[in-house]
Order: sequence, then C-alpha cells, then structure tokens
Amino acid sequence: SQQGEEDPQALSIQEGENATMNCSYKTSINNLQWYRQNSGRGLVHLILIRSNEREKHSGRLRVTLDTSKKSSSLLITASRAADTASYFCATDSGNTGKLIFGQGTTLQVKP
Amino acid sequence: EAQVTQNPRYLITVTGKKLTVTCSQNMNHEYMSWYRQDPGLGLRQIYYSMNVEVTDKGDVPEGYKVSRKEKRNFPLILESPSPNQTSLYFCASQIGSSEAFFGQGTRLTVV
Repeated sequence: SQQGEEDPQALSIQEGENATMNCSYKTSINNLQWYRQNSGRGLVHLILIRSNEREKHSGRLRVTLDTSKKSSSLLITASRAADTASYFCATDSGNTGKLIFGQGTTLQVKP
Repeated sequence: EAQVTQNPRYLITVTGKKLTVTCSQNMNHEYMSWYRQDPGLGLRQIYYSMNVEVTDKGDVPEGYKVSRKEKRNFPLILESPSPNQTSLYFCASQIGSSEAFFGQGTRLTVV
C-alpha cells in the first residue's frame, strides 16, 4: 500500500535555485523521513521529523510537517548539480519500523 | 564503517531456478526488511524481521521467502522465480522507528 504521494513527480531547476518537494500521506504517523536515491543506487537517509515537530533543518535542507493536513515538504536551498537525484518521503505509522514510501520526486539540477 | 551489504549486485537467471540474495548488516540492528523498486510503483516492502527468528509479510510477499537465523543476516529467497519478479531489490536495517540504512541494491532479471 502506498502511503505517501509526492508532488511534483519531476522537477528541473537551475543551479542556485531552491527546490521544493511535497509529500502527502493518509494515516496518522509516528514520524516522516526523507531519503535520497542516486540513479540505481541505494537510498540514503536525509532527515527525520517526528509527529510532534513542525520544522527541522539540516544544512541546506528544511523539512516541514503539517499533521492536520497530513503533508510534509522538503526544501533544498541553493541547489547544486550534485543534488540531482530522486527524493522519497517515507512514513512510519506504528513504532514498528515499517516504512511506507511515496513514489518519489525526480530532481534535475542543471549547471 | 556502518553498512548493509547485498550480494549479488546484478543477477540474470531463468524462470524456475531457485536463487538467494544475501543481506548482511554490521550495526547490530534488530529490524531488517526487503523492498522491491519498480518504475511508477516506488518501493514496496516484501518481508520484514523484527528480530532473530521473527519474520512477517510486507505488502508484496508472494513468491518470496526469508529467514533470520542470525541478527546480522537476512537472506531473500526466490524458490521459483518468474519474469514478474524482475526488479531492483533493496535490503535495509534500522533500530525501531529510526532511519533506515539501505544496501546498494540487487538488480534481478528473470528470463
């Protein structure tokens, strides 16, 4: 079952611009996580935000969470060509460790 | 270095020939899982294990088996592979509801 729906499916921007990706989910969550995947490679964890948090920062990443709207956004500021990748949100709903992934946003940053 | 190691990275096999994809983690994580990734479908969980000798079905378990005899290893077994199991497979490990660490993936083609 797919919990997260991501928007947009694809995003193309110029280096230096900001990139915003959105994730919506259906059920209540324990936490929401964002992952990055370079083409055909394993996923790498970027940031985790708990259900009682509204915003979190990590370097050039800013994540927000709105549990009333069941949505989250990932903002990458001052993007670089090396940020080109697919980005996935994943939700943990039951303290079991099971993650349900969205279909991802493919980001292309042009030099 | 903390890591999840999958083998093989690439595998081409014929329909019906049993195969095993190995997964090993060196972080002493209790929770391990297998996902498959298909275009347009994102990552879907196949099986997971919350500890040694404790395994359970994920969202798409048909045609797969797993075992967890040791904490560090979680092999994925395809008893009789079929072409619809052609996919990119990922093993992951984590502690509870925290971030997941992913292997580099196994690209399986069943002809």
